[in-house]
Amino acid sequence: EVQLVQSGSEVKKPGESLKISCKGSGYGFTSYWIGWVRQMPGQGLEWMGIIYPGDSDTRYSPSFQGQVTISADKSISTAYLQWASLKASDTAMYYCARPIQYTSSWSFDCWGQGTLVTVSP
Amino acid sequence: SYVLTQPPSVSVAPGQTARITCGGNNIGSQSVHWYQQKPGQAPVLVVYDDSDRPSGIPERFSGSNSGNTATLTITRVEAGDEADYYCQVWDSTSDPWVFGGGTKLTVL
Repeated sequence: EVQLVQSGSEVKKPGESLKISCKGSGYGFTSYWIGWVRQMPGQGLEWMGIIYPGDSDTRYSPSFQGQVTISADKSISTAYLQWASLKASDTAMYYCARPIQYTSSWSFDCWGQGTLVTVSP
Repeated sequence: SYVLTQPPSVSVAPGQTARITCGGNNIGSQSVHWYQQKPGQAPVLVVYDDSDRPSGIPERFSGSNSGNTATLTITRVEAGDEADYYCQVWDSTSDPWVFGGGTKLTVL
């Protein structure tokens, strides 16, 4: 069974750093992209970026370029999303998800359970 | 970047048919994917490539796409279908994964 398991909820102060994780299992982790999606409280889904763990090729949404860093450690089948200096506006649920291409288009066929990040003074 | 427009809410009685639309410029030329997100849960892919269903998704869920509108249709609606539904396309530009704003389906 394909599974993505994320790290637990975090409560941080503005200016602090943070790294959350997403561990894949049940499939060839290095052969599939992994993406991150943000969902702010009561809002919709926003794609942040993706990484190919096989060679660490990384792409960012223009909205998140320079705001976060996506990385992966293929030896432990884990992808990461990190912030150098959190802001209150980073408060959100963050999902990792596996992109899949059925024809010429991509969707996300498997999602992690989400990591809630709360940034408050 | 490409914009997808969904109605904020749709209401339907149990046993009836719900139709949730997703509008976009010439969206019929794109492949549309649909996700269901129940309260407190992660999204789940329910329809991909306009009208295909992943394994385990009931046949009650179907999709269509033509012109400027894609539609997710849920027949014989159940209380358990109450959720937010998001459409998504992949637009081969710098910001490729585009989501609609989401539609809250209420089962009366």
